[in-house]
Amino acid sequence: GAVVSQHPSWVICKSGTSVKIECRSLDFQATTMFWYRQFPKQSLMLMATSNEGSKATYEQGVEKDKFLINHASLTLSTLTVTSAHPEDSSFYICSAGLARAKNIQYFGAGTRLSVL
Amino acid sequence: GNSVTQMEGPVTLSEEAFLTINCTYTATGYPSLFWYVQYPGEGLQLLLKATKADDKGSNKGFEATYRKETTSFHLEKGSVQVSDSAVYFCALSEGETSGSRLTFGEGTQLTVNP
Repeated sequence: GAVVSQHPSWVICKSGTSVKIECRSLDFQATTMFWYRQFPKQSLMLMATSNEGSKATYEQGVEKDKFLINHASLTLSTLTVTSAHPEDSSFYICSAGLARAKNIQYFGAGTRLSVL
Repeated sequence: GNSVTQMEGPVTLSEEAFLTINCTYTATGYPSLFWYVQYPGEGLQLLLKATKADDKGSNKGFEATYRKETTSFHLEKGSVQVSDSAVYFCALSEGETSGSRLTFGEGTQLTVNP
């Protein structure tokens, strides 16, 4: 149980285009979803926290107009990288929290974004 | 603020060797501590956790003890296998709800050779 699916796993796009990444909780309702960014050989950096039906809470230094997060239902959150540029190339990971599991997060497999 | 520091990797061991990956933390309160593992091509999975001082988390032969006096949560396994090759992340959380944020260490790459 507690499976999180992230799609796509890898995307290549041209500079200036927008890319949408989906994060779904397959067998549970996620009260909270998190979006992380991971640079090569570095740790996961929290970008934002989102709760279903409300605006996401962004971490300091993360541009909310650049990284649009929508959490339309208890099983789906999306991250849209708008007007992507090469410096946005990175590994993006989502996770979901389950109410009965307290502070445990369940992670997607991540999305590798390459902006040309 | 909170922070987690892990020993630098990568770590390379032979099968059946003893494993220790050091983890120390800084927190303002009394956090819960976690070890997550990331196998190649997969998402992070919870390996074990401990919620209070002197608690020992264990799973799949891995163990870690919450040491408040040394602010540490070192990961150990007595005999590693090739299938243990992965990246290991130490993390902490000061909340107790599903919305509680995690603070991660840098991750330690472990490679186990046959």
